[in-house]
Amino acid sequence: DIQMTQSPSSLSASVGDRVTITCRASQNLIRYLNWYQQKPGKAPKLLIHVTSSLQSGVPSRFSGSGSGTDFTLSISSLQPEDSATYYCQQSYSTPLTFGGGTKVEI
Amino acid sequence: QVQLQESGPGLVKPSGTLSLKCSISGASLGRYYWSWLRQAPGRGLQWIGYLSRHDSTNVDNPLESRASISGDASTNQFSLTLNSLTAADTAVYYCARHADGYNYSPLDVWGQGLLVTVAS
Repeated sequence: DIQMTQSPSSLSASVGDRVTITCRASQNLIRYLNWYQQKPGKAPKLLIHVTSSLQSGVPSRFSGSGSGTDFTLSISSLQPEDSATYYCQQSYSTPLTFGGGTKVEI
Repeated sequence: QVQLQESGPGLVKPSGTLSLKCSISGASLGRYYWSWLRQAPGRGLQWIGYLSRHDSTNVDNPLESRASISGDASTNQFSLTLNSLTAADTAVYYCARHADGYNYSPLDVWGQGLLVTVAS
């Protein structure tokens, strides 16, 4: 199974800050890496797919980069509504696996 | 607009069997891959398995002996059955769609989730 390691596990930042979350895979994913946002009591929401493609309707302050085993999710200017837990997920092979999550507090 | 809705019992007894259904609206069962996932209280996301658009299934190894996934095109639903339940199976269960009809596609549509508690 491909192990996904996210860091940090939590962070606190201010409105307007730039925030970066990293995700490391135990194997080469090429670019099959996706990012989700989950708010308390809600289902995860797809933000970015295939490393850097912004899902329709997602604000442009979210961006993704990376390749191989190292990936990042960036929020260019943190907004109050971005308070959530963020998960990376590899779709390169089954079983599909997720990172442990990064809780972002404002 | 594609929507998914999980249904099933909220409480199941230990050693019992859980049967969940995911009702699909706005998309056809046979055109996409469909996954089941779960999230234990306060924990991360765990993929359980998927039903392919070719009607084959793939279940994560640790659950393979206890879990099965099936689809019903006539009702546009797919199901998860999980037996020999323990407290460790207590979780919010989600159904989700793989975008673009491939197993490597991201999960672009999710159900709202259903909390299942395993307790006597």
